[in-house]
Amino acid sequence: AQSVTQLGSHVSVSEGALVLLRCNYSSSVPPYLFWYVQYPNQGLQLLLKYTTGATLVKGINGFEAEFKKSETSFHLTKPSAHMSDAAEYFCAVSEALTGGGNKLTFGTGTQLKVEL
Amino acid sequence: DGGITQSPKYLFRKEGQNVTLSCEQNLNHDAMYWYRQDPGQGLRLIYYSQIVNDFQKGDIAEGYSVSREKKESFPLTVTSAQKNPTAFYLCASSTTGDSPLHFGNGTRLTVT
Repeated sequence: AQSVTQLGSHVSVSEGALVLLRCNYSSSVPPYLFWYVQYPNQGLQLLLKYTTGATLVKGINGFEAEFKKSETSFHLTKPSAHMSDAAEYFCAVSEALTGGGNKLTFGTGTQLKVEL
Repeated sequence: DGGITQSPKYLFRKEGQNVTLSCEQNLNHDAMYWYRQDPGQGLRLIYYSQIVNDFQKGDIAEGYSVSREKKESFPLTVTSAQKNPTAFYLCASSTTGDSPLHFGNGTRLTVT
């Protein structure tokens, strides 16, 4: 079975500082990996995804993530945090379903706080 | 604009009552999903459907039921058999195996 571990349920950074949110996964097949962001009382919005190809993936709002197979990691980074980045972030690993679609297994989320 | 509509945004019910959450999409996606979100637990899959008139149990299907009579619609019924129904429920849809899920804005269900 696939699983995702997000280290740190709460992360706090200063505005302008580096953001690093950690994600490790377990998968028996080459994984598809995703990062989503969730603002209070809203659905999830896709930040970026890794399927195949380049291991450094760029997403929206200046975020990027690097797939490291040897470390089974897919950490999310942003060089300079902005107040608007305060939200909850979820890492997910995907299992393709026979017949179409895919089943996502999510981590427990990391709440990012950005301080002045 | 294409998207997923969940209604209502907030729902209140008394214990022992069944309640149905609506999910409609106009993205022309074949696959649809229901997830439950609880604080500190991430999202857990309740049911999914890959095609009309077919659906499969996810990881926490007990106490829930679904139907898929139309491609656009995938309603979720929370039955009285669900022991802890109070939660945030998210509907999603997708196309092929490597495509991301698109989420609705969720329904917050409170049962007292």
